Amino acid sequence: ETGVTQSPTHLIKTRGQQVTLRCSSQSGHNTVSWYQQALGQGPQFIFQYYREEENGRGNFPPRFSGLQFPNYSSELNVNALELDDSALYLCASSSNTGGPMNEQFFGPGTRLTVL
Amino acid sequence: AQSVTQLGSHVSVSEGALVLLRCNYSSSVPPYLFWYVQYPNQGLQLLLKYTSAATLVKGINGFEAEFKKSETSFHLTKPSAHMSDAAEYFCAVSALRGYQKVTFGTGTKLQVIP
Repeated sequence: ETGVTQSPTHLIKTRGQQVTLRCSSQSGHNTVSWYQQALGQGPQFIFQYYREEENGRGNFPPRFSGLQFPNYSSELNVNALELDDSALYLCASSSNTGGPMNEQFFGPGTRLTVL
Repeated sequence: AQSVTQLGSHVSVSEGALVLLRCNYSSSVPPYLFWYVQYPNQGLQLLLKYTSAATLVKGINGFEAEFKKSETSFHLTKPSAHMSDAAEYFCAVSALRGYQKVTFGTGTKLQVIP
């Protein structure tokens, strides 16, 4: 069973640029959640995708957007990068059966640095 | 809405001593509660979770946590610290049902002194 994978591992961008981060969910999982973890902070929920639709969103501006594909992999896109977007971006996959919450499995993260 | 508060951003213990990491939660609905561990430059690994069954939850690596509704607490303990326990620990909460948003605390960095 393959776990959650994320690419790239590290990324350096400049202010105003756009970035795309990728996540492959664990086999059998249909839900992907994205989190932003700033240095010294806990992860903050960005949004969640379930069966290719956004299923919930945290307090992040519209320039943070995402996609989920038929194979349940996902992308996080951030437009007009700002210095404060520098963080570790974590993807988590889970199996949403519509009942009680199931465990989320986290990937290793993508470290984004905005200069 | 749910939230968690972790008391103490840094905790130091001697190897072999008791580990106690504190977490208090706030939730308007019955909560799911979690403890995650994060090693440097890695993602999060689930240590244990409370899902409204037994109030004393046993997890991996010898950790356990007790859900106390009257105190709105979910403290993490381990009887004897090991050097490999040095990491950052996050308490988290989610609604029992509904979409799977997890709200994390700010984390407690555990240092184990030889």
